[in-house]
Amino acid sequence: DIQMTQSPSSLSASVGDRVTITCRASQSISSYLNWYQQKPGKAPKLLIYAASSLQSGVPSRFSGSGSGTDFTLTISSLQPEDFATYYCQQSYSTPPTFGPGTKVDIK
Amino acid sequence: EVQLVESGGGLVQPGGSLRLSCAASGFTFSSYWMSWVRQAPGKGLEWVANIKQDGSEKYYVDSVKGRFTISRDNAKNSLYLQMNSLRAEDTAVYYCARVSGAVAGSKFDLWGRGTLVTVSS
Repeated sequence: DIQMTQSPSSLSASVGDRVTITCRASQSISSYLNWYQQKPGKAPKLLIYAASSLQSGVPSRFSGSGSGTDFTLTISSLQPEDFATYYCQQSYSTPPTFGPGTKVDIK
Repeated sequence: EVQLVESGGGLVQPGGSLRLSCAASGFTFSSYWMSWVRQAPGKGLEWVANIKQDGSEKYYVDSVKGRFTISRDNAKNSLYLQMNSLRAEDTAVYYCARVSGAVAGSKFDLWGRGTLVTVSS
């Protein structure tokens, strides 16, 4: 199985900050990498698919990049509604596997 | 409205069984692979099982193989997860998720609100 890691595991930031989260795969997954946002008590929500494609309805302040084993999710200007936990997920092979998550909270 | 609604969760003793259901609406259910994804309390996300549009292919995470069975009824727009020989470590919120795209490159683009399964004596 492909192992996914994320860094940092948590971060504190202020509204308006630029935030970057890193995801690494244990082997090359091409661009088969998705990002999800999850708020407490809620279901995950797809933000980015295929490493850099923005899901319909997701604000343009979210962006993704990377290929192979290293990927990043960037929030260009953090908004109050962005405080949540973010997960990466590889869809290169079965089983699909998720990273452990990065919790973004208020500084 | 495009949505997935899970039901069937609850408290069950170790070794017991439970059947989860997921009702889909607002989209052509029979056109999509479907999945179950779970989240233990305070933990991350774990994919559990996948099923092809016609039910002809099914895949499971190793930890549930031989104990869980995923199935679907396209006439009823419903997805199911039969869970047998339940263990404490199966305690989690179980989400029904729609799978979009090819097997490689797919994404979970629609999620239900989840149903809580608690395995405890």
